[in-house]
Formats: sequence, C-alpha cells, structure tokens
Amino acid sequence: QVQLQESGPGLVKPSETLSLTCVVSGFSISSGLYWGWIRQPPGKGLEWIGNIYHNGSAYYNPSLKSRVTISVDTSKNQFSLKLSSVTAADTAFYYCAYYEGYFDYWGQGTLVTVSS
Amino acid sequence: SVLTQPPSASGTPGQRVTISCSGSRSNIGSDTVNWYQHLPGTAPKLLIYSNNQRPSGVPDRFSGSKSGTSASLAISGLQSEDEADYYCAAWDDSLIGVIFGGGTKLTVL
Repeated sequence: QVQLQESGPGLVKPSETLSLTCVVSGFSISSGLYWGWIRQPPGKGLEWIGNIYHNGSAYYNPSLKSRVTISVDTSKNQFSLKLSSVTAADTAFYYCAYYEGYFDYWGQGTLVTVSS
Repeated sequence: SVLTQPPSASGTPGQRVTISCSGSRSNIGSDTVNWYQHLPGTAPKLLIYSNNQRPSGVPDRFSGSKSGTSASLAISGLQSEDEADYYCAAWDDSLIGVIFGGGTKLTVL
C-alpha cells in the first residue's frame, strides 16, 4: 500500500520560501509515474500545483510556475516542493499525491500559514 | 475554474443526486474525467477515475459518465455519510496541467 506523508514548517513569513517534503513508503518512487502537489486555501477549492516524474521532469500550474520548484530524491524515496515569495494567499492545506492520470494516493495534508 | 461545477447540491436519504462538470475541448473533450470526495480535515479520496471506473472499495452507489465536454457524478441511495465536497478533475492540453472544478458541496437533508 502506497503511503505518503508531508512534512515541513507550518508557519512561513511573507516573501520567504515555503518548503515541504513528501516521504513515500510502501512503493518505490522510481517505479511510479508522477508525484504531485495540490493545495486547498481555507474555504476554497483544490488547486493543482505541479507533478514530477522520477527522472525529474516536471509540469507546473502556469499560475504558479514562476515561483514553484518540485524536485525528487529517489535515494530517500521522497519529493519536495518549494514555493518562493509567498504571500498570505499561499496559506493553504498542502497535499502530496501519486498521479497516474488521476491522484489515487494522497498524504494527509499539512497546513501552511503565511504570516509575519 | 476551467471546469464548472454547481457550488451546492442536496438530497434526502435514499434519493439520487447528480453533480455536473462542464469543460471544453482541451480538457474533458480530449481526456478522461476523475472525481474526488473531500471530507473536511481529511485527504481527498479518489471516487471515480477514467470517466466511470470505481477504485476498489468505492460503493457502486457512485457512478460517473462523460459526454462531449461535460461529465457528471451520480450518487444513488444517498446516505448521510455522503455529505462532503466533490471535485471533478481532468488534464488540460492547453494549460498542460491538471485542472480541478470549483467543487460542489453536497448536503444530505
């Protein structure tokens, strides 16, 4: 059974960089298709951030592309999200998930608040 | 959202409800549609994939369909535990990425 777990700071200051890691267990990250990040601002809907293949090739949401970097570390079986120059609008629950044309395995999510 | 869903839907226990998802040729019109159920405080759950396929463990009360640039999720024999937010999603060839509908909040009266 594929399991994903997000980790990272729950509070980030405006203009700084949000960094989250998703550890994958029960499945080799190199054996999968894509690994993705999705977020949900409080009271709003789901927003796709981006997907990455185990070889490092990635797709990003055009609205976030200039600020987003997703990377993968196959040796640690994990992948990471960096979102730069954050503002209060980036406050959200962040989820990592496995994508094979659909997101069928999800992490439990982590709340990141952007505030000084 | 590029995919349009009604913001809310409701029904009484035992009823059948449907939730629509309207898109365009670059997304629903050219790719498959997936549906997710999201309960507050939990991770979203894949409910329907590839337009009408149910993952293991999803009751057959849930069904999906697609026609042209629109899709719909049907829930029959509505139960109180079905009260949740429902999202459609698809790949968009123009945006080159995954798009979600705005979500539909289902209330069981």
